[in-house]
Amino acid sequence: EVQLVESGGGLVQPGGSLRLSCAASGFTFSSYWASWVRQAPGRGLEWVANINQDGGEKYYVDSVKGRFTISRDTAKNSLYLQMNSLRAEDTAVYYCARELVWVFGLWGQGTLVSVSS
Amino acid sequence: AIQLTQSPSSLSASVGDRVIITCRASQGISSALAWYQQKPGKAPELLIYEASSLESGVPSRFSGSGSGTDFTLTISSLQPEDFATYYCQQFNSYPLTFGGGTKVEIK
Repeated sequence: EVQLVESGGGLVQPGGSLRLSCAASGFTFSSYWASWVRQAPGRGLEWVANINQDGGEKYYVDSVKGRFTISRDTAKNSLYLQMNSLRAEDTAVYYCARELVWVFGLWGQGTLVSVSS
Repeated sequence: AIQLTQSPSSLSASVGDRVIITCRASQGISSALAWYQQKPGKAPELLIYEASSLESGVPSRFSGSGSGTDFTLTISSLQPEDFATYYCQQFNSYPLTFGGGTKVEIK
């Protein structure tokens, strides 16, 4: 079955760190660009970052630059998001998504990140 | 960053109604626009890409049109499973951005 499964979410204090993972199955993830997209509770969608097939190109939304790092492991067919210096406003469900020409054609089920003391 | 403004933010409609949702970009984006449907507690699903191309498996009652700054998503005959929130997304330039969403509710 073609799917993406996120993990690694949880409760973290402000200023803390968390690493999200996204495991792909049923297809070769390294053949596609991939993104992280988040959704704060009751709010709309916000694109966070993306990465190209070999990891050589990465883009970020301004609000996470310098704090978040996107990466991938082609051997493990996986995508990651290292989140440092977390803030309350980073609280959201984080989705990984497979891209085709910057359009999100396949999404995971999401993982919830809560930043609170 | 390119801002996308969706209208209305919510609407009430009945099964069988024709529904039109608009998305306006703050600057021209050619046809670099996609539409998604999201149901409560679920991930979004792609409906339309390149402004008017229907994603495989999406019912033909969904259609998209527009180019430049003004776009529309049309549901020709609303079905019970279509009650959801709809988002537009531009991919003309970074950062990739979404509209604020349109919630379609049952009248």
